[in-house]
Amino acid sequence: QQPVQSPQAVILREGEDAVINCSSSKALYSVHWYRQKHGEAPVFLMILLKGGEQMRHEKISASFNEKKQQSSLYLTASQLSYSGTYFCGTGNQFYFGTGTSLTVIP
Amino acid sequence: DSGVTQTPKHLITATGQRVTLRCSPRSGDLSVYWYQQSLDQGLQFLIQYYNGEERAKGNILERFSAQQFPDLHSELNLSSLELGDSALYFCASSVQQAESPLHFGNGTRLTVT
Repeated sequence: QQPVQSPQAVILREGEDAVINCSSSKALYSVHWYRQKHGEAPVFLMILLKGGEQMRHEKISASFNEKKQQSSLYLTASQLSYSGTYFCGTGNQFYFGTGTSLTVIP
Repeated sequence: DSGVTQTPKHLITATGQRVTLRCSPRSGDLSVYWYQQSLDQGLQFLIQYYNGEERAKGNILERFSAQQFPDLHSELNLSSLELGDSALYFCASSVQQAESPLHFGNGTRLTVT
């Protein structure tokens, strides 16, 4: 029941955009996104609810396609501070994806 | 600062031993979750409590147990420790059972030698 994230890793230059995908084999009612910097605890970014609007956190936005059981995280004009591992969480947050390592370089 | 406090920060112990990890949730949060994160791995859900009652169990081994006390702090007990139990253990809290953001503590790094 663990959601699958893609890509596993991505390297960006400052200012570039990236998309991280999260797919589930089970019906999704909500998706949560978290970012974890190396050696730190995960930090909540946003939650997307079934039938809800697209959410934004600074220049990071996300969408939720209930029919496809997918969510995507869009990072626009990436900043150095965006570096970290991004996790999606589903199923009352019992299940987290394997994570996507994002590295932003100058 | 998430407001969630986990102690101790680091724990080094030998195989076969028993340890207790402690978590104090954010003020006002009734729900506590425990996760295990092995080196460069994702977050594996162990167990959830809501207002003192166990609400959900994940991949928690029989050697592991947890409880949430009346003051809402929680403890995770790990016994008969094995080398493979070495990991970062996170506690997270939220206001409700579901659809609420999780606030994570800084974790307890357990090393079993």
